[in-house]
Amino acid sequence: AQKITQTQPGMFVQEKEAVTLDCTYDTSDQSYGLFWYKQPSSGEMIFLIYQGSYDEQNATEGRYSLNFQKARKSANLVISASQLGDSAMYFCAMREAYTDKLIFGTGTRLQVFP
Amino acid sequence: NAGVMQNPRHLVRRRGQEARLRCSPMKGHSHVYWYRQLPEEGLKFMVYLQKENIIDESGMPKERFSAEFPKEGPSILRIQQVVRGDSAAYFCASSPRVSPEHYGYTFGSGTRLTVV
Repeated sequence: AQKITQTQPGMFVQEKEAVTLDCTYDTSDQSYGLFWYKQPSSGEMIFLIYQGSYDEQNATEGRYSLNFQKARKSANLVISASQLGDSAMYFCAMREAYTDKLIFGTGTRLQVFP
Repeated sequence: NAGVMQNPRHLVRRRGQEARLRCSPMKGHSHVYWYRQLPEEGLKFMVYLQKENIIDESGMPKERFSAEFPKEGPSILRIQQVVRGDSAAYFCASSPRVSPEHYGYTFGSGTRLTVV
């Protein structure tokens, strides 16, 4: 069965530092997509970044980059130059091949301190 | 350019009542997905609909839950005879076509259902 694992329930980082949020996935499919979402305390789900299984380069979106290691089945999110506004829950998700369901991990709560 | 609109944002129901959650997808989006988030958990897929069709309801509880996406109007997630365990945040997402890729699914802000 396909599964997303986020092993860090909580992370702390100082403002302006970089932080890596871990995500590993389990699938036997060759075609899949990996997503990261941010959920601030207000509750909405904000799309951050996407990586396709056939993409050869790591995805980047501004201060967000995805460290995609296909052989290790990991898709870690790197946030550079953390800001106080980055404090939120972060969810890793995988789109099942040939369906449109997203499978979510349990999330990592990131707290950025001054 | 409104995003995915969900209402109400907060809903309180007594045990045994019905809850109706509404989702208006982004303009031009014809695919709607419902997810449930229990406290301190990730989102869990419930159902995927296109206009007038249920495509995948494998995540829907067998009883009391139903969903529709009529030709006109918003998608509705209906929970009959609510119980305390139904208390959760319910999110709707929309996409313009099958298998959205780099732009992701667009989520609404969710409806927080509290059953008292």
